[in-house]
Amino acid sequence: QITLKESGPTLVKPTQTLTLTCTFSGFSLSTSGVGVAWIRQPPGKALEWLALVYWDDDKYYSPSLKSRLTITKDTSKNQVVLTMTNMDPMDTATYYCAHSGSGSFGSFDTWGQGTLVTVSS
Amino acid sequence: DIQVTQSPSSLSASVGDRVTITCRASQSITRYLNWYQQKPGKAPNLLIYATSSLQSGVPSRFSGSGSGTDFTLTISSLQPEDFATYYCQQRYSNPYTFGQGTKLEIK
Repeated sequence: QITLKESGPTLVKPTQTLTLTCTFSGFSLSTSGVGVAWIRQPPGKALEWLALVYWDDDKYYSPSLKSRLTITKDTSKNQVVLTMTNMDPMDTATYYCAHSGSGSFGSFDTWGQGTLVTVSS
Repeated sequence: DIQVTQSPSSLSASVGDRVTITCRASQSITRYLNWYQQKPGKAPNLLIYATSSLQSGVPSRFSGSGSGTDFTLTISSLQPEDFATYYCQQRYSNPYTFGQGTKLEIK
């Protein structure tokens, strides 16, 4: 059974850097075709894909946020970390991590529960 | 970037109704189109991947079709637990954009 859980600060100040950790179980990020993605959702708004890291350490970022995002994986700890610099109140959102498997055409087939991050001074 | 546009943005229907939600991509995405269901306060749940493949555990009343730029999600007979927001997502090219969502409400 695949599970993922996001952790990190619930409140950050404008201009600070946000660091979120996705801790997962039930799969290995060293298995061919597997990836972990980050997606966010501002309150009452739609989903926005942010970043994706694959088993071979290939990384993809949303072009509109690429300059602010870094995604890394720690296979031994079963963790994926997302950092976002220069946080702004517009970045207030629930942040989700999700599993991406080759068996489901790379769709996001299992999601974490999400963590709400508020950006405010 | 490939834009994906869902319609309608909201929909009222009754239990037992047949419902169709559409998703249009700004360019061809072949069959790289996924559908998710999200209930209030919960994470999204994958329903359909690769246009028409039903995710394990998802009821067979859900189905998907289409190719190229035009796709549909159909619920053959609405159940009370189906009232939620539905999102399509293209997985063809970066950025892997989501539609704006369709909120399905009880009539």
